[in-house]
Amino acid sequence: GNSVTQMEGPVTLSEEAFLTINCTYTATGYPSLFWYVQYPGEGLQLLLKATKADDKGSNKGFEATYRKETTSFHLEKGSVQVSDSAVYFCALNRPDRGEYGNKLVFGAGTILRVKS
Amino acid sequence: DVKVTQSSRYLVKRTGEKVFLECVQDMDHENMFWYRQDPGLGLRLIYFSYDVKMKEKGDIPEGYSVSREKKERFSLILESASTNQTSMYLCASRFGQSYEQYFGPGTRLTVT
Repeated sequence: GNSVTQMEGPVTLSEEAFLTINCTYTATGYPSLFWYVQYPGEGLQLLLKATKADDKGSNKGFEATYRKETTSFHLEKGSVQVSDSAVYFCALNRPDRGEYGNKLVFGAGTILRVKS
Repeated sequence: DVKVTQSSRYLVKRTGEKVFLECVQDMDHENMFWYRQDPGLGLRLIYFSYDVKMKEKGDIPEGYSVSREKKERFSLILESASTNQTSMYLCASRFGQSYEQYFGPGTRLTVT
């Protein structure tokens, strides 16, 4: 079936540290991959996406590369800020669900805490 | 900007009560979704709707029903609330077959 596995958190970093949050997936077909972010007290919002192998999604200093050979989509940022503290969800769309496809499968989420 | 609003941020109900969670979106999106979010489990799809009066079960529909009488509004109904339905409930909407879903702020439901 389709599933997403994320590294367990919480991840605690100091400001300006390098961030990696690992994400691997299992899917039939060729899914699109996403990172969503949930700031405290808010709903999820799309952070970045990649729709085919070797695509790199980027936004707000975050980036992730769609690696088909390792079935991975790791999230990275070179220098985190306190304002990046949030829960990060890796997700894929399910390409095998016919006419009403594009439903998302989410990972468990990774809590990121950035200290000043 | 797309706005998805949910009727309550926090809700406390008793076991056996009928519970209504309301979601409204203002961008004329065809598709709307209800998820529950639990620690360690991420988001799981309860139901979705692709048009007025149309619905389809998600991964965990048991104990829930939905109603979509108007395009902008999608309601989640717990017919008889149970303690294992204590959770964060998130509504989302999406335009057509685009990739991005827009989420509301969530309703934290506690069933005692």
